[in-house]
Amino acid sequence: GAVVSQHPSRVICKSGTSVKIECRSLDFQATTMFWYRQFPKQSLMLMATSNEGSKATYEQGVEKDKFLINHASLTLSTLTVTSAHPEDSSFYICSALSRAVAEAFFGQGTRLTVV
Amino acid sequence: AQSVTQPDIHITVSEGASLELRCNYSYGATPYLFWYVQSPGQGLQLLLKYFSGDTLVQGIKGFEAEFKRSQSSFNLRKPSVHWSDAAEYFCAVDGAGNNRKLIWGLGTSLAVNP
Repeated sequence: GAVVSQHPSRVICKSGTSVKIECRSLDFQATTMFWYRQFPKQSLMLMATSNEGSKATYEQGVEKDKFLINHASLTLSTLTVTSAHPEDSSFYICSALSRAVAEAFFGQGTRLTVV
Repeated sequence: AQSVTQPDIHITVSEGASLELRCNYSYGATPYLFWYVQSPGQGLQLLLKYFSGDTLVQGIKGFEAEFKRSQSSFNLRKPSVHWSDAAEYFCAVDGAGNNRKLIWGLGTSLAVNP
């Protein structure tokens, strides 16, 4: 199957700083990528849909100025958590949609801890 | 509204026993249906998917699922569970539209007793 690389897998940052998470589709082009947040022992919560070359579509309740998404190429989307707070600590997962096989492939996730 | 229900939050089975994880959906048309597995601290791996055709779908790791339109269900089954199957299982429905957003169930946590 197709491979999606998400980096970093773990990051610890100080309150008030910003953290960038990258999501790359390694062997296919993804015009659409999705960013999720997952709390412990809970399901995935869709934060935003990222479309290459256009602005991301954010789900209700997700602050677009806090969670900046950039999808500048067909293989890369980034999520930047700005002015991080401890409550932003979570597991963030990206997925990339392969329209060729009508399937979304997932990255391995990023464990963000804000101290 | 589109929704996915996984009625069982947690299931424990003995190794070698059969398994069935339930999934019910609410959707206005025939959906695309998926089952994913997530190991602790990991991303998600697709077990199987249903788009059309044969309603019994075979997946990886010995899993299968059956689409039943009359019951709006897509239950996941495995004849004999292995200890390595212990994980979180998510059912998802393709929300259609241009962005193909997935609608997720809350997940079922599977524990396997030796």
